[in-house]
Amino acid sequence: QQQVKQSPQSLIVQKGGISIINCAYENTAFDYFPWYQQFPGKGPALLIAIRPDVSEKKEGRFTISFNKSAKQFSLHIMDSQPGDSATYFCAASSGGSQGNLIFGKGTKLSVKP
Amino acid sequence: DGGITQSPKYLFRKEGQNVTLSCEQNLNHDAMYWYRQDPGQGLRLIYYSQIVNDFQKGDIAEGYSVSREKKESFPLTVTSAQKNPTAFYLCASSMGRGGIYEQYFGPGTRLTVT
Repeated sequence: QQQVKQSPQSLIVQKGGISIINCAYENTAFDYFPWYQQFPGKGPALLIAIRPDVSEKKEGRFTISFNKSAKQFSLHIMDSQPGDSATYFCAASSGGSQGNLIFGKGTKLSVKP
Repeated sequence: DGGITQSPKYLFRKEGQNVTLSCEQNLNHDAMYWYRQDPGQGLRLIYYSQIVNDFQKGDIAEGYSVSREKKESFPLTVTSAQKNPTAFYLCASSMGRGGIYEQYFGPGTRLTVT
């Protein structure tokens, strides 16, 4: 019940296209859902996060869509660029357990020029 | 320049030796975390600390030890009991209170044990 399932494992998108990464969870106590971006050999960087009181959050080309009833959330990258090529991780936290994050296994995104 | 520093970036050790990875933060964060990252496995929590002089085991604590003597520092020791220590180790911190959950990561240390 603590798992966060992320798909797909890898994704290839053409420059200018839309990249979509999906995550699903079981624990209804989760109340914080961040996405992290990681480049090879670097630490993950917080990209965007959402709480379940909203269904969508947009920051620039990055949008999180959240479906509370389906217990799913997704990251959309609009107008994908080669510089977006990285590994993306979704995560979830219930806060009650000191805010510990449960991470998905990651999606490796390649944006072709 | 605020942030989280981890040293060294690369570390090589012989099997059977203990090794300590450094993590320092100047963000005035209360909470600090250690994760292990293996290819295709995501990030797995080793230990975390919400306050000085207190820490808790994460999901994969066996073969690891930590200390939290100062707010800014949270070193991780990989002991000889860790069966497969070669991995990328990430330290993170967060405010840890007031419902603020954002975790910020350091640049990581890649440990290779042969």
